[in-house]
Amino acid sequence: EVQLVESGGGLVQPGGSLRLSCAASGFTVSSNYMSWVRQAPGKGLEWVSVIYPGGTTYSADSAKGRFTISRDNSKNTLYLQMNSLRDEDTAVYYCARDSSASSGYYHDYWGQGTLVTVSS
Amino acid sequence: DIQMTQSPSSLSASVGDRVIITCRASQSISTYLNWYQQKPGKAPKLLIYAASSLQRGVPSRFSGSASGTDFTLTISSLQPEDFATYFCQQSDITPFTFGPGTKVDIK
Repeated sequence: EVQLVESGGGLVQPGGSLRLSCAASGFTVSSNYMSWVRQAPGKGLEWVSVIYPGGTTYSADSAKGRFTISRDNSKNTLYLQMNSLRDEDTAVYYCARDSSASSGYYHDYWGQGTLVTVSS
Repeated sequence: DIQMTQSPSSLSASVGDRVIITCRASQSISTYLNWYQQKPGKAPKLLIYAASSLQRGVPSRFSGSASGTDFTLTISSLQPEDFATYFCQQSDITPFTFGPGTKVDIK
């Protein structure tokens, strides 16, 4: 059974750093495309970053230069290192496993989310 | 970036109603369009991928279609468990942008 469990969220001051983890089971993180998606309180969904099986990464403009997606193959875990945090980064952060099919690419499994609050 | 719009932003419907939600992309995305359902306090759930492919385990009352840059999600007969917010997402080009969502509540 595929499971994703996020951790590492919490309260951090503006300018601070936080590292989110997403422990996966039931599949191999390094063999799959993996994404982070966030949702500010009461708002919609915002895709943040993706890492491909080969290690290529892409990020939203809001994350470029501040957030880094990575993985630890030995721990089957995905990470999001977040630096220089701002008030507007306050959100629930979800990790997702991505899959692809003919003319399709999608987030088919999601974690339960971890809340990041940036506030002084 | 590709902009995604959805309409309506909210709707009220009754159990048994046919519900149609539309999504429009600001440029061609082929069929790289997904639909997700989200209930309060829960993670999103994939319903439809590649514009019209039903995700495994999703009831057949959900269906998706495409015409150019216009996409629709149809719920053929609304059930009590379908009251939720629905998001479309383009996955053709990063950033994979989402629509603003459509909240479906009880009339």
